[in-house]
Amino acid sequence: EAEVAQSPRYKITEKSQAVAFWCDPISGHATLYWYRQILGQGPELLVQFQDESVVDDSQLPKDRFSAERLKGVDSTLKIQPAELGDSAMYLCASSLDGNQPQHFGDGTRLSIL
Amino acid sequence: GESVGLHLPTLSVQEGDNSIINCAYSNSASDYFIWYKQESGKGPQFIIDIRSNMDKRQGQRVTVLLNKTVKHLSLQIAATQPGDSAVYFCAESHSGSARQLTFGSGTQLTVLP
Repeated sequence: EAEVAQSPRYKITEKSQAVAFWCDPISGHATLYWYRQILGQGPELLVQFQDESVVDDSQLPKDRFSAERLKGVDSTLKIQPAELGDSAMYLCASSLDGNQPQHFGDGTRLSIL
Repeated sequence: GESVGLHLPTLSVQEGDNSIINCAYSNSASDYFIWYKQESGKGPQFIIDIRSNMDKRQGQRVTVLLNKTVKHLSLQIAATQPGDSAVYFCAESHSGSARQLTFGSGTQLTVLP
């Protein structure tokens, strides 16, 4: 079964540093999502793409976070500068379109020291 | 406000018994519901979904029931196995939200030998 690929699996960095996460969705999936999940809670949407366009980034802290999906396939989420409160799991999901189930990758576990 | 909540944070069942995980939602406009299973260190795994024009949907060993009158849905797992131990999330969306999912906080299912 095709999977959503994410890298790295783990990232440890110091506050004020820059971090980047990469996501490769299931082939053919036009819609891509980035979520943040704090331990013990459900995922919360950060940004949604339809092909290369941002559909919604209202929950993305745009002073420090950025996301892009330049060619409408893979995507990168960046944080600069990282803060202690950014420690969380960052999940990527994709779907054929907005009306189909979202399928998740295994995420990047970020720890800020 | 819009919220999706779970009745119980933890559930323990004997191996071989049936499990029922409940979820309440508050948004009357919600018309799509989905259940995910999340094992430790992994991303949410799609289990089953249901649209509001249905009351029941069955999969392999799983059944989702939707009661729109009381804004409640449940996930039933038949003959629960040790591999079913995980956190289960319900999530909902509606057409006015660009099909963005709102997740509940999850129920930890533990299967006892």
